[in-house]
Amino acid sequence: AQKITQTQPGMFVQEKEAVTLDCTYDTSDQSYGLFWYKQPSSGEMIFLIYQGSYDEQNATEGRYSLNFQKARKSANLVISASQLGDSAMYFCAMRELPNTGNQFYFGTGTSLTVIP
Amino acid sequence: KAGVTQTPRYLIKTRGQQVTLSCSPISGHRSVSWYQQTPGQGLQFLFEYFSETQRNKGNFPGRFSGRQFSNSRSEMNVSTLELGDSALYLCASSLLRTPSTDTQYFGPGTRLTVL
Repeated sequence: AQKITQTQPGMFVQEKEAVTLDCTYDTSDQSYGLFWYKQPSSGEMIFLIYQGSYDEQNATEGRYSLNFQKARKSANLVISASQLGDSAMYFCAMRELPNTGNQFYFGTGTSLTVIP
Repeated sequence: KAGVTQTPRYLIKTRGQQVTLSCSPISGHRSVSWYQQTPGQGLQFLFEYFSETQRNKGNFPGRFSGRQFSNSRSEMNVSTLELGDSALYLCASSLLRTPSTDTQYFGPGTRLTVL
């Protein structure tokens, strides 16, 4: 089974509008972390936002917020006031804490295009 | 503080050759992970090193290997290259002071093309 599922291969949003990118995850661990990364065409993965499994409040970082619904195992990224520079691939990731190390699981990504 | 650096940025090799990629983590970061990214398979975890020890390994053949030095710099090696090894190889480092909240920071990647 996939650990991270991103069901939107591509999304379009009008500049200055808000957009939600979906992410669901699968884990039986109680302690885990959820992350979102942005990957522009240059290839570098840029960290955006983090949510811990025990965090009661949704994480926010500037225009990014994470809509965390633990019971539904979803961690959707909300980008407010979209900008042209937000056009990129977005990846949801999860880190469990196996005894043997530190491993991240990534989704297949969502390609976001911001339209002027 | 300097970010994660990877060298070289681009590499072209032919089938059967071997290649070594290098990664320098953020200063103070002791955990280094490697990922392979391809259009077909997405991001796949290769392995993770911490304090010069491989702690975790993904599902890749033995042709893929790595190591970490005492200064936390890491190298990965791919021997007997195949066409399917063409990919973007990403390195990420973590501080791992508080594993439950720790973030991986990625380098710009090495784009390997196998002809």
